Amino acid sequence: GQQVMQIPQYQHVQEGEDFTTYCNSSTTLSNIQWYKQRPGGHPVFLIQLVKSGEVKKQKRLTFQFGEAKKNSSLHITATQTTDVGTYFCAGPSNGGYQKVTFGIGTKLQVIP
Amino acid sequence: DGGITQSPKYLFRKEGQNVTLSCEQNLNHDAMYWYRQDPGQGLRLIYYSQIVNDFQKGDIAEGYSVSREKKESFPLTVTSAQKNPTAFYLCAISSTGGHEQFFGPGTRLTVL
Repeated sequence: GQQVMQIPQYQHVQEGEDFTTYCNSSTTLSNIQWYKQRPGGHPVFLIQLVKSGEVKKQKRLTFQFGEAKKNSSLHITATQTTDVGTYFCAGPSNGGYQKVTFGIGTKLQVIP
Repeated sequence: DGGITQSPKYLFRKEGQNVTLSCEQNLNHDAMYWYRQDPGQGLRLIYYSQIVNDFQKGDIAEGYSVSREKKESFPLTVTSAQKNPTAFYLCAISSTGGHEQFFGPGTRLTVL
């Protein structure tokens, strides 16, 4: 079945350093979403990418969708303590209308 | 998020008891989902529903049951057949044709 792999699983950075998480799918995706889950909270939708090679920015966050639409990345510039949490990518599942498959997530710790 | 409610936030049950978790939405979205999250793990789909009176099994449906009698409600029953029921349960919705998932605050179930 379809797999969505995400690396790294954990990342510790000093405040002010950059951070990147990568997402790879075993199949071509029509779109990819990114979510953030703060400690003790629920996942919150951040963004959806649809086009091959698409790049979108939200303040210090940059999201990219690969040319082959099988991989994606989230880059945070100059991390802050408010960036702490787990970042998930997700893509449409095979054979399921409106189903998505989530990556395992990357847990980010920011050391002040 | 917004018009998605799950109650209670924390729930304790004795082993062998069935328990029903509520999920209500007032955003008039058709698709509703139930996910399970274990510590340090990603999100695994239990059941989903695209329309009233219809629902589909997800990846880990064994030991769970759902109903969708009203558009705004999608309750999940964790039965005594579920071998490891202690987990964080998240309900989500998405708009017609969309894949973006909008999550409720979740219910943390502990079975003693």
